[in-house]
Amino acid sequence: DAMVIQNPRYQVTQFGKPVTLSCSQTLNHNVMYWYQQKSSQAPKLLFHYYDKDFNNEADTPDNFQSRRPNTSFCFLDIRSPGLGDAAMYLCATSIRTSGLYEQYFGPGTRLTVT
Amino acid sequence: RKEVEQDPGPFNVPEGATVAFNCTYSNSASQSFFWYRQDCRKEPKLLMSVYSSGNEDGRFTAQLNRASQYISLLIRDSKLSDSATYLCVVNKGGNAGNMLTFGGGTRLMVKP
Repeated sequence: DAMVIQNPRYQVTQFGKPVTLSCSQTLNHNVMYWYQQKSSQAPKLLFHYYDKDFNNEADTPDNFQSRRPNTSFCFLDIRSPGLGDAAMYLCATSIRTSGLYEQYFGPGTRLTVT
Repeated sequence: RKEVEQDPGPFNVPEGATVAFNCTYSNSASQSFFWYRQDCRKEPKLLMSVYSSGNEDGRFTAQLNRASQYISLLIRDSKLSDSATYLCVVNKGGNAGNMLTFGGGTRLMVKP
């Protein structure tokens, strides 16, 4: 089945220790997104790729970086995680269909910072 | 004012009840509208896209009023499995048509 896959599902890292989260998709969608979602809050967009073009949200901290080596894969790098970065990280993909960009989410990676 | 506003709830309803959620959005350039469902500690899942003429999918009916910038979701014959948070989602419009703004969600709890 076509889908969005995130690994790992749960990640524990130490304060300040770099961590990488991965996302892959078999949908062949050209747009990929990374969101941060904290408890009882709406998902917050960090950045997205439109094909190879990287688009950073203005309020995304420099601590967060991303790479998209090909259409199928996208990575989120947190260079120096702080306690405030503990959250669910959601990857999503979309493609324009009948004028709509419906986004499809992966299951998320829950990050704990100790 | 938030870009997408929803009543956070929770809405506590008995099985079989009809429940309606409302949502308002501030960006008049928005052209695409969605309802997503999110279960506790899970990812949002697309429930339905909302079209200008309104649309129905089984027990779920979505309506859009562009003039009032208002979106609604009606759930008929509520099931226990409908318990979740419902997110109203709107695109940013224009050149940012692929970008979405999420409401804070409305929590629904269906009781036996």
